[in-house]
Amino acid sequence: AQSVAQPEDQVNVAEGNPLTVKCTYSVSGNPYLFWYVQYPNRGLQFLLKYITGDNLVKGSYGFEAEFNKSQTSFHLKKPSALVSDSALYFCAVRDGGSQGNLIFGKGTKLSVKP
Amino acid sequence: NAGVTQTPKFRVLKTGQSMTLLCAQDMNHEYMYWYRQDPGMGLRLIHYSVGEGTTAKGEVPDGYNVSRLKKQNFLLGLESAAPSQTSVYFCASSSRELLAGEQYFGPGTRLTVT
Repeated sequence: AQSVAQPEDQVNVAEGNPLTVKCTYSVSGNPYLFWYVQYPNRGLQFLLKYITGDNLVKGSYGFEAEFNKSQTSFHLKKPSALVSDSALYFCAVRDGGSQGNLIFGKGTKLSVKP
Repeated sequence: NAGVTQTPKFRVLKTGQSMTLLCAQDMNHEYMYWYRQDPGMGLRLIHYSVGEGTTAKGEVPDGYNVSRLKKQNFLLGLESAAPSQTSVYFCASSSRELLAGEQYFGPGTRLTVT
């Protein structure tokens, strides 16, 4: 069965520093991987996805993610964090069916301090 | 485009009462989903639909029913609410055209069952 894990409940970084939010996955077959962001009292917003091709995927708001097949990881990164990046981040993997269902991690709260 | 909208935004129910949550999307998407979000649990799929007139169970379907009479609407019903159904409910939609397409989320409904 497909699954995704986010090992950190919270990540704290200082504004201007690089940030990494970790995600590991377990799938049978080729993985379709996603990152979403949730700001307080809002729905989830799509950030980026990996389907195939380049291991470094670029997304919205300056975020990028690195797909590593050997380590079964898909970590979210940003070179320079902003206070406005503070939010809840979810990693997701598409399940094996054809309906496009997603399996979400439990989320990582990112806190960026000035 | 309004995207995905949900009504109501907030609701308080007493145990045993019933209610229906409405989701509407104006993107002509075939797939629609209902999730619940609980602290530390991420998002869990309740039910989903791959087209008008079809529905299927997700990870946590017990206590909920759904209907998709029109392509643009997806209704989630609670026949006899229980305190365990206190949660934030999100609706999402995606296009069948993109097999690995992202899901678009509504703003959520915060439900409290006392």
